[in-house]
Amino acid sequence: QKEVEQDPGPLSVPEGAIVSLNCTYSNSAFQYFMWYRQYSRKGPELLMYTYSSGNKEDGRFTAQVDKSSKYISLFIRDSQPSDSATYLCAMSADSGGGADGLTFGKGTHLIIQP
Amino acid sequence: DVKVTQSSRYLVKRTGEKVFLECVQDMDHENMFWYRQDPGLGLRLIYFSYDVKMKEKGDIPEGYSVSREKKERFSLILESASTNQTSMYLCASSFIHEQFFGPGTRLTVL
Repeated sequence: QKEVEQDPGPLSVPEGAIVSLNCTYSNSAFQYFMWYRQYSRKGPELLMYTYSSGNKEDGRFTAQVDKSSKYISLFIRDSQPSDSATYLCAMSADSGGGADGLTFGKGTHLIIQP
Repeated sequence: DVKVTQSSRYLVKRTGEKVFLECVQDMDHENMFWYRQDPGLGLRLIYFSYDVKMKEKGDIPEGYSVSREKKERFSLILESASTNQTSMYLCASSFIHEQFFGPGTRLTVL
């Protein structure tokens, strides 16, 4: 069983729609959760960072973590064509200095249709 | 803002050549990482370093080595490039958990 599962898509939605992107994981020790956005032929860009369960909002983006279900989500409100990209979830169990690294999902390719 | 730079955006090399990929970060981060990214396989960790002159193997270290002589610089070395090392190479740095990535180097080995 893979540690982090993420639907690769593509997920295609019309402009202005609410987008929901999700990851499931199997390692109950994960407690730090991140979402990255990656445009074609560019490096991943950190979008959201959350610790443990709960919600975090930043502009049009909301990250949600449900540790009891081992499920994390990223919601994008009022989606724009510029949101078209691949979205990667990442997580860590490391309670120390972060040197153990992150476990990544394979990414969901999102297309926002104008 | 954190800035991670990589020496080349695109690189073409021949089989058997020794290849150096350089990464520099400007935020005094302790940790630095090298990944490769391939379609359908996602990001795979090659090597990481948590301090100067320290290095640890990641998930796929075979055929690679690294060097960290200064805190801000982390180099990935392909000792004898092979066609199966054609990939997108991404460097990242972090202080704790959030990793910040460079723009990537797309390496083609012919």
